[in-house]
Order: sequence, then structure tokens, then C-alpha cells
Amino acid sequence: AQSVSQHNHHVILSEAASLELGCNYSYGGTVNLFWYVQYPGQHLQLLLKYFSGDPLVKGIKGFEAEFIKSKFSFNLRKPSVQWSDTAEYFCAVNAPNRDDKIIFGKGTRLHILP
Amino acid sequence: DVKVTQSSRYLVKRTGEKVFLECVQDMDHENMFWYRQDPGLGLRLIYFSYDVKMKEKGDIPEGYSVSREKKERFSLILESASTNQTSMYLCASSPDSYDQPQHFGDGTRLSIL
Repeated sequence: AQSVSQHNHHVILSEAASLELGCNYSYGGTVNLFWYVQYPGQHLQLLLKYFSGDPLVKGIKGFEAEFIKSKFSFNLRKPSVQWSDTAEYFCAVNAPNRDDKIIFGKGTRLHILP
Repeated sequence: DVKVTQSSRYLVKRTGEKVFLECVQDMDHENMFWYRQDPGLGLRLIYFSYDVKMKEKGDIPEGYSVSREKKERFSLILESASTNQTSMYLCASSPDSYDQPQHFGDGTRLSIL
């Protein structure tokens, strides 16, 4: 069965620090990969997605993620975080040749200190 | 812009009650999903539906059922609520295409006393 692992459950950074949140998945075939963000009191929204092509994907608010197929990873990065990036981040994967289910990781709670 | 509307933001019910959570989407999406979100456990899929009157069990369907009589509406039913069903419930929808993300509602925080 597919699974998604997010290694960091809770991350605390100061403003302007660089961010990298780890995500690994366990499926050997073609996958679609997503990062969602949930700001406090708000609904989940899509940050970025990878379906094919350039493995370096750029999303909203300066975020990017790199798909490394050999490592089954899709880590999220941002060179300089802001206080407003405080949120919970979810990595997700679906296997397009199987079904429309998206499997979510358990989330990483990011807290940015002003 | 896609709008997924959940009928209640907060709901308090008693053990043993039958509870209905309603979700409506306005983008004619084929797929609809119900998740529960618990701290440290992420999102867990309860049920999903690919079309009207169709439903599929997710990872944790026990104690729940669903209804999809119309394309835009997907209801989650707790047949006999229990305290371990206290949680945040999220509804999502997506088009019938593998490369499209899901769109989420604001969630319903359900407390079972």
C-alpha cells in the first residue's frame, strides 16, 4: 500500500531562516505529488504539485519542492521563511494508474518566531 | 474559484445520536471525499465517491456511512456517535482527472459528549 512519511512533526525556525521539510513516499510507479498548507483557522490549500516534467516545482509564496525519483522524495523548501508561514504542511501522493485517492502524510507543524 | 461548503464549523452532539455532516461543492466535480483530521495523525480518508450514488470505503470507514444523492452534495453520517469520533472533519472535491488537486472545505469540528 502507498504511504507518505513526513519526518518532522514540529519545526521551529526564526524569520529569515531557510526551510526544508522532508517527505518520502512508498510507491514504485508513476506518482503525482502535492504539498498542501493549512494556515491557522483556514482550510487546506494547495501549495504546489508535481505531475511530470521538471522535477523542481515552484509554488505559491516562494515555496518550491524537488522530486527525486531515486530517493522517493519530494522535499519542500523555502530560502527565507516569514512569520506568516506559520502553518501545518502536508505532503500527499496519488498513483494515477490506480485510483483517485490521495494519501496524506501526518503533517509538519511549522512555527516561525518573529 | 472552487467553493466547498461544509454546513457547520462547530457541532456538539451526544453519545448515541445520529449525526449528519453536509458538504456541497459548486464546481461540478465528480469526486468527493470525507476525511478526519486528528493531531499527529494527519488526514485519514473515511469515504469517497466518484459519482452520484457511488461510494467507496476509505481507510477508516467503521462507524460512518455516506450518501451522495446529488452530484454537488456529499453527506457523512455517524450512525451512533461515540466519543472517539470527536474530531475535525474535512470534505474535499476534485474533478475526474488524476492530475487535479483536491479542494477542501473549512472543516467541521465535531465534539461528541
